[in-house]
Amino acid sequence: DADVTQTPRNRITKTGKRIMLECSQTKGHDRMYWYRQDPGLGLRLIYYSFDVKDINKGEISDGYSVSRQAQAKFSLSLESAIPNQTALYFCATQLGETQYFGPGTRLLVL
Amino acid sequence: GQQVMQIPQYQHVQEGEDFTTYCNSSTTLSNIQWYKQRPGGHPVFLIQLVKSGEVKKQKRLTFQFGEAKKNSSLHITATQTTDVGTYFCAGARGTGNKLTFGGGTRVLVKP
Repeated sequence: DADVTQTPRNRITKTGKRIMLECSQTKGHDRMYWYRQDPGLGLRLIYYSFDVKDINKGEISDGYSVSRQAQAKFSLSLESAIPNQTALYFCATQLGETQYFGPGTRLLVL
Repeated sequence: GQQVMQIPQYQHVQEGEDFTTYCNSSTTLSNIQWYKQRPGGHPVFLIQLVKSGEVKKQKRLTFQFGEAKKNSSLHITATQTTDVGTYFCAGARGTGNKLTFGGGTRVLVKP
């Protein structure tokens, strides 16, 4: 499996704060994704990147931004956090048709 | 846009029994994948189906892709406590394209 790491693993923040979630991978995969998971809604795609110069919006990109600093790093930012962004966030890489997920970041916005 | 629905949302199964979870797409898919997420864990790839009518088995798990490539099923025989978790299907339109995930079926096993 791809070695996909996410930091922080847990985060509590207040409404209006800017926060960044980071994702790193060591397997050299070009494609990276950010998802959020809410109970009963599965995984919803926020942003994805097919290489360093490529950034694409997913189905729920409003309120989020991303940065692909290098092939190995893909960061997700919440410019002004709001309570309904409380969720479990997953980063994933892709090799071939298979996606490899990081351990997730649990975010609570108060 | 593309939608992928899974039923049931929850499945309570007696240990040793069989069950099936279903996945339906609003559009024809190029391939469908299944992932398993253990409680507190992250989704892990199980299998990919590409051909119309394809059937694949992994021990007690049988995966099927519909003839029209718009639906899929996962059948587990003789359920064990290790089968606990949420099973997601994910469909893609076109090779190498992004995946659309279903809402998942959360499986609880009664010993």
